[in-house]
Amino acid sequence: QSVLTQPPSVSGAPGQRVTIDCIGSTFNIGAGYDVHWYQRLPGKAPKLLIYGNTNRPTGVPDRFSGSKSGTSASLAITGLQTEDEADYYCQSYDSNLSGPGVFGGGTKVTVL
Amino acid sequence: EVQLLQSGGGSVQTGGSLRLPCEASGFIFSNNAMSWVRQAPGKGLEWVSVISGSGTKTYYADSVKGRFTISRDNSKNTVSLQMNSLTTEDTATYYCARLTDSEVRPVAMLFDFWGQGTPVTVSS
Repeated sequence: QSVLTQPPSVSGAPGQRVTIDCIGSTFNIGAGYDVHWYQRLPGKAPKLLIYGNTNRPTGVPDRFSGSKSGTSASLAITGLQTEDEADYYCQSYDSNLSGPGVFGGGTKVTVL
Repeated sequence: EVQLLQSGGGSVQTGGSLRLPCEASGFIFSNNAMSWVRQAPGKGLEWVSVISGSGTKTYYADSVKGRFTISRDNSKNTVSLQMNSLTTEDTATYYCARLTDSEVRPVAMLFDFWGQGTPVTVSS
């Protein structure tokens, strides 16, 4: 059970907007630590999607956006496309854990 | 182009050992800390270990501390994970990943490139 909670799955039709929440606490997201998001396409290596809460690496489409408020963060995908069907993970730091780096449990996005 | 090529892995019995190498190319290897992250079947990503760019600092998850050793050879652009005393709980796909910094800053670890993953199966 991760300290960062994500819904196991979300789904949407092509062109729709979906959001994935990453719910933390005052020991991680709420403490001001950055949240990053990764996309893992089926059979592929994870890929950095959003870093520092809201920033997109070069090459990531602008239909992906990140936000953060209080003890939670969100990843939004607008104009959902079939190639967006993948697993998505949030990552941050938790001051209550002994090691650096903690991931959310992951969310499977299904394009209907 | 940054590439992280993983090899090794496979099946081993409980108590056995495995070594996972990861060969990097496309960047100045010593400029980046490197890490291992795993994903057990049906579960999410779990950070395992990290090593600084110089190789002088290492960190481990509690679940592997004392059993796993991360190392790097900057002359060969390779980072490795030596896994000893393996248990069934270590069954997972293991990814090597590059960090954006050369030093390990626990509060700000960011993985910008990942290897393709290596499956490890531990059976009793």
